[in-house]
Amino acid sequence: AQSVAQPEDQVNVAEGNPLTVKCTYSVSGNPYLFWYVQYPNRGLQFLLKYITGDNLVKGSYGFEAEFNKSQTSFHLKKPSALVSDSALYFCAVSPAIGGGFKTIFGAGTRLFVKA
Amino acid sequence: EPEVTQTPSHQVTQMGQEVILRCVPISNHLYFYWYRQILGQKVEFLVSFYNNEISEKSEIFDDQFSVERPDGSNFTLKIRSTKLEDSAMYFCASLGGGTGELFFGEGSRLTVL
Repeated sequence: AQSVAQPEDQVNVAEGNPLTVKCTYSVSGNPYLFWYVQYPNRGLQFLLKYITGDNLVKGSYGFEAEFNKSQTSFHLKKPSALVSDSALYFCAVSPAIGGGFKTIFGAGTRLFVKA
Repeated sequence: EPEVTQTPSHQVTQMGQEVILRCVPISNHLYFYWYRQILGQKVEFLVSFYNNEISEKSEIFDDQFSVERPDGSNFTLKIRSTKLEDSAMYFCASLGGGTGELFFGEGSRLTVL
């Protein structure tokens, strides 16, 4: 069975500092990994994904994530945080690309960026 | 940019009443999903739908829940007899196939009194 863990309920960072939001996963076979962001009272928005290839993937709004197979991790990173990055971030895993396969979400990590 | 639309944005209902939540997925997408989120917390999978049938469902999706795509555009979630614990934000999502990322609607907030 697939699962996703986000060990931090909340991450606090000062504007301009680098940020990391952690994610570990468990899935049989090759993982398809995603990060989504949710702003207050909004739906989830796709940020980036890892399917195959380069372990460092880049996404929207300057975010990137590093896939580490040995540590089964997919941490979200940004070199310089903005106040506007404050939101709820979800790591997600899917057993395959395409329909019929459920994407499972982690519990979410709330990011606070202080000015 | 194409988007997933959901109606209503907020519905208040009495316990035991039937509720239908509606979604219009992105027009060329083939796979459809319902998720729910309670109190801004974890996003829980309910059901996936493809080719006019359920592909997979979670343990949450019991006999009180049903989905259908009656007219080729709308994708609906019906809760037959609502319970207090059904109060949540319900999100519809669609997937084009081959890309992997889900496109979410803005959600329908259900409040059961």
